[in-house]
Amino acid sequence: GQNIDQPTEMTATEGAIVQINCTYQTSGFNGLFWYQQHAGEAPTFLSYNVLDGLEEKGRFSSFLSRSKGYSYLLLKELQMKDSASYLCAVLDSNYQLIWGAGTKLIIKP
Amino acid sequence: GAVVSQHPSRVICKSGTSVKIECRSLDFQATTMFWYRQFPKQSLMLMATSNEGSKATYEQGVEKDKFLINHASLTLSTLTVTSAHPEDSSFYICSARDPGQAASPLHFGNGTRLTVT
Repeated sequence: GQNIDQPTEMTATEGAIVQINCTYQTSGFNGLFWYQQHAGEAPTFLSYNVLDGLEEKGRFSSFLSRSKGYSYLLLKELQMKDSASYLCAVLDSNYQLIWGAGTKLIIKP
Repeated sequence: GAVVSQHPSRVICKSGTSVKIECRSLDFQATTMFWYRQFPKQSLMLMATSNEGSKATYEQGVEKDKFLINHASLTLSTLTVTSAHPEDSSFYICSARDPGQAASPLHFGNGTRLTVT
């Protein structure tokens, strides 16, 4: 079966750095997405990785290792507004999105 | 700017009535749109895949006669919750990908919060 694992909840301090991991086992691979979802709102697109390596976009970076079935989202200089759920999703061989359950990130002052 | 528009954002209806939710792609033509449902503190759950010009594909456990999907044009898909009951109260979100890009991100509408009283 297809499976995506990410931690249920993480806590970090304002101004710090946090890394949210995602491991996946899917039928084929056509890319991995990270989305941010604030409570009561729809998800918003953060990043897309299809090749191995690190993609940096401002305070957020995303890393992919296809051989390990592993990705992480790195958030730097954390702000209170970064408190949200972060969703990892993989595009499988049929271009269907397989979703992780999401990681709730709690930022403390 | 938003590339997928969803309307309405909130709706309250009485039990037994029907509610229609619209999803429009603004900057591209979407042959396929996706309808998700999310209960509080739970993950996104794919309900169905809406296909322009053909029948929708429903996920296991989703009643196709209760959740009617119509994808009449390349930019519009509608979800109608028929004979709504309080347990249908949820956050419904539509999404679409730009077929012009091989692996474009899934763009989401802002969601519709349905409350059935």
